[in-house]
Amino acid sequence: AQKVTQAQTEISVVEKEDVTLDCVYETRDTTYYLFWYKQPPSGELVFLIRRNSFDEQNEISGRYSWNFQKSTSSFNFTITASQVVDSAVYFCALSENSGNTPLVFGKGTRLSVIA
Amino acid sequence: EADIYQTPRYLVIGTGKKITLECSQTMGHDKMYWYQQDPGMELHLIHYSYGVNSTEKGDLSSESTVSRIRTEHFPLTLESARPSHTSQYLCASSEAGHWNTEAFFGQGTRLTVV
Repeated sequence: AQKVTQAQTEISVVEKEDVTLDCVYETRDTTYYLFWYKQPPSGELVFLIRRNSFDEQNEISGRYSWNFQKSTSSFNFTITASQVVDSAVYFCALSENSGNTPLVFGKGTRLSVIA
Repeated sequence: EADIYQTPRYLVIGTGKKITLECSQTMGHDKMYWYQQDPGMELHLIHYSYGVNSTEKGDLSSESTVSRIRTEHFPLTLESARPSHTSQYLCASSEAGHWNTEAFFGQGTRLTVV
């Protein structure tokens, strides 16, 4: 069965600090996709990144970076030089069967960035 | 920017009422989903559809029903609302027939049953 674990329920950092959000997943499938979504206070989920199981290359997008390691079944998300606007709930998610099954989400990590 | 819309955004209703939460998307996506988000943030899949006339129940036992008569429309109905249904409901859609694309989410409907 597929499962996503985000062990950090809440994190508070001071603006400009770096922060890493952890995500560990479980799946027996060999072709799957991993995702990160951001949920700001307004409520909608905003897509951040998608990564397939065959691509372990890390990715950087501005202040955001993602570290995918199949050996540890982890897909961690780092925000560099955090800003107040980064305050949100962040969800990691998994889709098996080449991404054809509905997303299964972790319980989310609430990030508060304090000015 | 995602073109998926949910109405109403907020709804307060009495116990026992029948309600329908609307979800529409203009992207022509075959797959659509309903998630329930509890106050503790966790997201639970309650229904999904892979196309017209296709509906499946998700992981969370739900007293709701869905229909998919048109590609763009995926309404969720509660026949008799109860306080335990108080939650945020999120609708999403994604493409089919590809090596997966991301799901796009609506802004959600926050339902309160009193």
